Amino acid sequence: DTAVSQTPKYLVTQMGNDKSIKCEQNLGHDTMYWYKQDSKKFLKIMFSYNNKELIINETVPNRFSPKSPDKAHLNLHINSLELGDSAVYFCAAQDGFISGNTIYFGEGSWLTVV
Amino acid sequence: DAKTTQPNSMESNEEEPVHLPCNHSTISGTDYIHWYRQLPSQGPEYVIHGLTSNVNNRMASLAIAEDRKSSTLILHRATLRDAAVYYCILRDDNRGSTLGRLYFGRGTQLTVWP
Repeated sequence: DTAVSQTPKYLVTQMGNDKSIKCEQNLGHDTMYWYKQDSKKFLKIMFSYNNKELIINETVPNRFSPKSPDKAHLNLHINSLELGDSAVYFCAAQDGFISGNTIYFGEGSWLTVV
Repeated sequence: DAKTTQPNSMESNEEEPVHLPCNHSTISGTDYIHWYRQLPSQGPEYVIHGLTSNVNNRMASLAIAEDRKSSTLILHRATLRDAAVYYCILRDDNRGSTLGRLYFGRGTQLTVWP
């Protein structure tokens, strides 16, 4: 049973489209994240939510809008997709903002914009 | 963000011990040292973390220098499944500017030969 699950795993779409990636965690944790891994393999934080409240927005374009309907879900909606949005997007969950706690990552969603 | 320095790549033979070094000369007193790894086409996976003392778990050991300016992740018997990128990360969720963030560098690509 996957702790952090993302859908879809693969997504190919055209420039200008709007798409969403869904994330669900069954760990009961109250903190969730979105990370982006670009073509150079750098992993960078995009957003974090704690109890459905936005905590971190790491200067991400406002075409990206996270939505947390409840503690177990953090979805990522992307408007007007651009070629540069092609990347792997990872959802993650953690039990609160505590330095010693583990962050659990999903398996990633591969987004290709053509 | 407190920075870490790791070798770009290392190699090992199967069933041999592997010592992955990490330098963090600007570490602060409240920074935890975390290690994550990323297997091909998967999300990052927690390996181990520590603050001051050496740590052991079922996956690995973490040796922390007395001055905390460096640490070493030890895989006691490398397997083919250990081939991954290993990230050494400093975390301090008590510092407002870094709350909840994991800063991933380039990491060390570990190759394990059969």
